[in-house]
Amino acid sequence: QQPVQSPQAVILREGEDAVINCSSSKALYSVHWYRQKHGEAPVFLMILLKGGEQKGHEKISASFNEKKQQSSLYLTASQLSYSGTYFCGTEIGSGNTPLVFGKGTRLSVIA
Amino acid sequence: NAGVTQTPKFRVLKTGQSMTLLCAQDMNHEYMYWYRQDPGMGLRLIHYSVGEGTTAKGEVPDGYNVSRLKKQNFLLGLESAAPSQTSVYFCASSELAGGYNEQFFGPGTRLTVL
Repeated sequence: QQPVQSPQAVILREGEDAVINCSSSKALYSVHWYRQKHGEAPVFLMILLKGGEQKGHEKISASFNEKKQQSSLYLTASQLSYSGTYFCGTEIGSGNTPLVFGKGTRLSVIA
Repeated sequence: NAGVTQTPKFRVLKTGQSMTLLCAQDMNHEYMYWYRQDPGMGLRLIHYSVGEGTTAKGEVPDGYNVSRLKKQNFLLGLESAAPSQTSVYFCASSELAGGYNEQFFGPGTRLTVL
């Protein structure tokens, strides 16, 4: 039931783009994205709901493909501050259930 | 607003000892969660609560108990600690589960069981 994230890790230079994917074997109601910097707590980035609504970060975009049961997080023109581990959390079924988080994608942005 | 706070920040236990982790939130959220985070494993849900006086099991509940006697507090107990419980524990809260309700995380408790 745990969603699968890919890639596991990626290294970027400042200004480059990255895509992080999150796939589920079950029908999704919502997908949440969080970023965690080393030694800190996860911080909310985005929520994508079945049906197309979204809520979240101004500089980061994401998509949600309900048929493929997957979501992608797009990081464009990356900055050093984007470094961290990105987690997707998935909510299955008709909603109002706790999230199940993926194992994370470690993103390192270098100068 | 303090948000979500956790006590203690660090703890070292010997095998077989017991302890309680305290989570407090000041956002009047209904839902509260306890996660453990191990290297390469992501965040795994231990127990959660949908309101004062209610608790439910998550993905990895064995060896832990919880209580939510007051809406703002969620306690995680280890009755007899084992080395496999060495981990970083995060508490989180949200207004409701999933949907449009983001989770707010506490700073974490790093627990080592020797």
